[in-house]
Amino acid sequence: QKEVEQDPGPLSVPEGAIVSLNCTYSNSAFQYFMWYRQYSRKGPELLMYTYSSGNKEDGRFTAQVDKSSKYISLFIRDSQPSDSATYLCAMTISNFGNEKLTFGTGTRLTIIP
Amino acid sequence: DVKVTQSSRYLVKRTGEKVFLECVQDMDHENMFWYRQDPGLGLRLIYFSYDVKMKEKGDIPEGYSVSREKKERFSLILESASTNQTSMYLCASSRGLAPVQSSYNEQFFGPGTRLTVL
Repeated sequence: QKEVEQDPGPLSVPEGAIVSLNCTYSNSAFQYFMWYRQYSRKGPELLMYTYSSGNKEDGRFTAQVDKSSKYISLFIRDSQPSDSATYLCAMTISNFGNEKLTFGTGTRLTIIP
Repeated sequence: DVKVTQSSRYLVKRTGEKVFLECVQDMDHENMFWYRQDPGLGLRLIYFSYDVKMKEKGDIPEGYSVSREKKERFSLILESASTNQTSMYLCASSRGLAPVQSSYNEQFFGPGTRLTVL
């Protein structure tokens, strides 16, 4: 069993819809949870991170962590065609800087105009 | 803006060749990483370095080596390329220890090198 599981999709939704992306994990030591966005032919870029449990909101994006269920989510409100990308969840144990990130496989999202 | 650059976007090599992938970052970051990205497997860590001349194995170091002679440059070496090393290779860098427990030092990624080994 992989440490981090993520539905690879692909996921297609109409413009303006609410998108929900999810990951589950098995290692209870994870404390930092990230969502990276990767456009085609580009490297991943950090979208949001959350420390420990709870919600974090940034504009149209909300990251949610439920450590008791070992489940994290990213919600995108009022989705736009520019949100079309692959979304990768990632997590790590510490913030020492040289920490190893464990990634999900990524979910490919397409927003249909 | 942090910039991580990789020497090639696309590379085609033959089995058995020695391959060098170069990565340069311009923000004086202590840490540098090499990942490979494959469909269905996500990003997997090959090697990382937390200081000049220091290196640590990641999850899949077999068949690879690295070199970090200068702080800004981290090289990935395929000693004898094989077809199963055909992949997208991503370099990343980050600062050292975050200032408070709740903060996180982002890993900044380069654009990737798509390597094909024939």
